[in-house]
Amino acid sequence: EDQVTQSPEALRLQEGESSSLNCSYTVSGLRGLFWYRQDPGKGPEFLFTLYSAGEEKEKERLKATLTKKESFLHITAPKPEDSATYLCAVQARRTALIFGKGTTLSVSS
Amino acid sequence: DTGVSQDPRHKITKRGQNVTFRCDPISEHNRLYWYRQTLGQGPEFLTYFQNEAQLEKSRLLSDRFSAERPKGSFSTLEIQRTEQGDSAMYLCASSYNRVRGYNEQFFGPGTRLTVL
Repeated sequence: EDQVTQSPEALRLQEGESSSLNCSYTVSGLRGLFWYRQDPGKGPEFLFTLYSAGEEKEKERLKATLTKKESFLHITAPKPEDSATYLCAVQARRTALIFGKGTTLSVSS
Repeated sequence: DTGVSQDPRHKITKRGQNVTFRCDPISEHNRLYWYRQTLGQGPEFLTYFQNEAQLEKSRLLSDRFSAERPKGSFSTLEIQRTEQGDSAMYLCASSYNRVRGYNEQFFGPGTRLTVL
């Protein structure tokens, strides 16, 4: 069965303290891996799509990477406004996205 | 604002009542999806449309749930005889189906349903 696992569940950082979020997946025929950011009470906001192992994408302080078994979301020198839940999702044979439970990031100044 | 919109944003209802939610996708997108999200969980797929055709339904979509997209534009999700377990955030997303490549799904703000 297709599955997505995110770790850690929660992460607390000081402003400027870089770290990484992990998304491991087990799917048959990965067609794409997606990262979203979700603020409390709002819908997920699209961040990145990764298609194949070795691919990397960057946006401001965020960098996403992909291997054959997992993806990392690296956060460099985070700011309090980066606090949110980060969701990882995969698209396999079906059109629907399969989401992990998310990592809730808190950045304090 | 050209993003996905949903209405209402919040709905409180009593157990046994029927509720209907509306989603307006990004105008050029031909695919529309419904997901449900409960506290501490990621969104779970319910169903999706390509234009007006409903192409896939999840096992989560019981007989009390029905979705329509009559003209291939906006969509409605109706829940009949609501139960307390239906309390969740209902999310709509849309994408443009490319022949090649992948289809990023863009989400709306969600409708928060509370069943008393």
